[in-house]
Amino acid sequence: NAGVTQTPKFQVLKTGQSMTLQCAQDMNHNSMYWYRQDPGMGLRLIYYSASEGTTDKGEVPNGYNVSRLNKREFSLRLESAAPSQTSVYFCAISQAGTTDTQYFGPGTRLTVL
Amino acid sequence: RKEVEQDPGPFNVPEGATVAFNCTYSNSASQSFFWYRQDCRKEPKLLMSVYSSGNEDGRFTAQLNRASQYISLLIRDSKLSDSATYLCAVNTKSNYQLIWGAGTKLIIKP
Repeated sequence: NAGVTQTPKFQVLKTGQSMTLQCAQDMNHNSMYWYRQDPGMGLRLIYYSASEGTTDKGEVPNGYNVSRLNKREFSLRLESAAPSQTSVYFCAISQAGTTDTQYFGPGTRLTVL
Repeated sequence: RKEVEQDPGPFNVPEGATVAFNCTYSNSASQSFFWYRQDCRKEPKLLMSVYSSGNEDGRFTAQLNRASQYISLLIRDSKLSDSATYLCAVNTKSNYQLIWGAGTKLIIKP
C-alpha cells in the first residue's frame, strides 16, 4: 500500500521548458491537492480537486495547470517554467475536504535555472 | 498580518524537558485545526487534530483558544526523535483550503 506516490523525485529545468508532475494514490480518497513549499513560508495551495472531474484554483495558481485524470491520478503541469517556480512540490489527498487528515506524497524537488 | 503565524524557532530543548509552542490564526470563522510534523526533507505527516475541548495523545497535548485565536502544542518528556519542524494548519471559509504556518523548528539535545 504505497499511499501517495509522486514522480519525479527531482527535476532540473531551464527557463521556458515545460514538464508535468505526476501524483497517484491508492487510498481511494476523493480530494487531491497540489502544494508548493518554499523556505520560510508555509505550504501554499496551487490547485485542488474536490472530487473526480472537478478542479479549482488555490492560493497560487498562476503558471500552473492541472488535470484530474481519474480518481487515482492528479497531475500538475508547468507550461513555461520560471526560476520563481523553483520549489518543493507536494501532492496530498484527503477523504473529503479540510475536516479530514491530509496525506502527503514524498515531494518533487524542482529547480528552474 | 499573515493568516497563520508560527514562531520559526529553533527551539533548542534538552531531552526530557517539556516544550510548548503556539500558532495564531486570523480568521475567527475557522473550524478545523491541525498539527503536522515534518522531518528534514520529508513530507508533512499528521500529528494531531485539535478539538475545541483539547486533546491528548501520549506525550502530546493540543489545545484551542478561540478567544485569543491560537492553538498550542505541548510536548512532555521530549525525546531526541521529536526533533522536527511542527506545522500548524487552519481551514478557511472554503472546505478544501487549509492555510499553513511556516513551521516551528524543534531541536532536542541529549
